[in-house]
Amino acid sequence: QSALTQPASVSGSPGQSITISCTGTSSDVGSYNLVSWYQQHPGKAPKLMIYEGSKRPSGVSNRFSGSKSGNTASLTISGLQAEDEADYYCCSYAGSSTGVFGTGTKVTVL
Amino acid sequence: EVQLVESGGGLVQPGRSLRLSCAASGFTFDDYAMHWVRQAPGKGLEWVSGISWNSGSIGYADSVKGRFTISRDNAKNSLYLQMNSLRAEDTALYYCAKDSSMVGAYYFDYWGQGTLVTVSS
Repeated sequence: QSALTQPASVSGSPGQSITISCTGTSSDVGSYNLVSWYQQHPGKAPKLMIYEGSKRPSGVSNRFSGSKSGNTASLTISGLQAEDEADYYCCSYAGSSTGVFGTGTKVTVL
Repeated sequence: EVQLVESGGGLVQPGRSLRLSCAASGFTFDDYAMHWVRQAPGKGLEWVSGISWNSGSIGYADSVKGRFTISRDNAKNSLYLQMNSLRAEDTALYYCAKDSSMVGAYYFDYWGQGTLVTVSS
């Protein structure tokens, strides 16, 4: 149950697009279409942004999109806005009724 | 409106026990799997444990296996985490999180505000 690997930080200017990667193994990300992404602002509970790799919950902006290739999942934020500045975490089912989160990525809007 | 309210956190000495509770409302509790997720101060999220709708499927992170026990009481719309042999590294904000499926899809569509557990002598 090693944490999924994410870059510690990603930054971009308003209006730009950024992509956050989430690298796991063939035992988690690579084996299941059960990757989700969460946004967390300081002092707040996490918020679900993407589930099953690429699906958006109702109410989440279509500027957020997800994808997966092999053992790596990705979250793309297009048209970056100041309110997108937050920490982002990926999560995957890891088999045997267990889950695993990513190491987290701090997104900075320049 | 879905609400998850955690309680039971506090300051506890290493080696002692604590029981967390999560009171759920606003949805049919026994239709969904539930989880505990924790976050150490200034650190990232860590999945701790999950339980299916009927308690038939339960899982634990390696870091807590053998020390923590998850359970649920569907009649009381409540989720629990019994934490034994607590260690300093268990210090964290513990979140209760609702799964999107009965057996566990391992994505969490609603979260509580968390209860803080501090393990220190």
